[in-house]
Amino acid sequence: EVQLLESGGGLVQPGGSLRLSCAASGFALSSYNMHWVRQAPGKGLEWVSHITSSSSTKNYADSVKGRFTISRDNAKNSLSLRMDSLRVEDTAVYFCARGLEMHSSGWYFDYWGQGTLVTVSS
Amino acid sequence: QSALTQPASVSGSPGQAITISCTGTSSDVGAYNYVSWYQQHPGKAPKLMIYDVSYRPSGVSNRFSGSKSGNTASLTISGLQAEDEADYYCSAYTSSSTLGVFGGGTKLTVL
Repeated sequence: EVQLLESGGGLVQPGGSLRLSCAASGFALSSYNMHWVRQAPGKGLEWVSHITSSSSTKNYADSVKGRFTISRDNAKNSLSLRMDSLRVEDTAVYFCARGLEMHSSGWYFDYWGQGTLVTVSS
Repeated sequence: QSALTQPASVSGSPGQAITISCTGTSSDVGAYNYVSWYQQHPGKAPKLMIYDVSYRPSGVSNRFSGSKSGNTASLTISGLQAEDEADYYCSAYTSSSTLGVFGGGTKLTVL
């Protein structure tokens, strides 16, 4: 059974940093592209970042570019999101989501974690 | 403001069919057959319902179908059931600097 489990959320002051983690199980993480998607309280979904299976390509939403860094450790079945210079508007539930199998084409997220809440407030 | 435009709400009675639209541009919905739809119940993670415009993942009811015409994609749910009441989001790949975009979401109410 595919499972994604996020951790690392919490309360942080504006300008602070936080590192989110996503533990993957039930599939070969090394074969899949992965994403982070967030949802502000009471709002819609927003794609945040993407990393290819080999970490060769990383993409970011304009709203987080230069502040967030995505990474992965396939040997440890883990995905991470380092968030620096946090702003109040970064407050959201952050979901880890599985993307396409490597060398495939398309755009969808077929498995999601339950999310971890990040609150940026003074 | 979301990159893809969805109606804020739709409603229907049990057994009826409803359609949710998702309007983008020639850089996203209109450019690729890479539109997906997600169902989200309150407090839960989103669930993939449709991918590549019209394909259903294994385990998703055939009451859910997707289509696209020009820059507008659509999700149709037939034979509405109480359990279909949820928020629905479309998403599309885009050729812009942002890799992908979501719609603002549509709240489906089953009357």
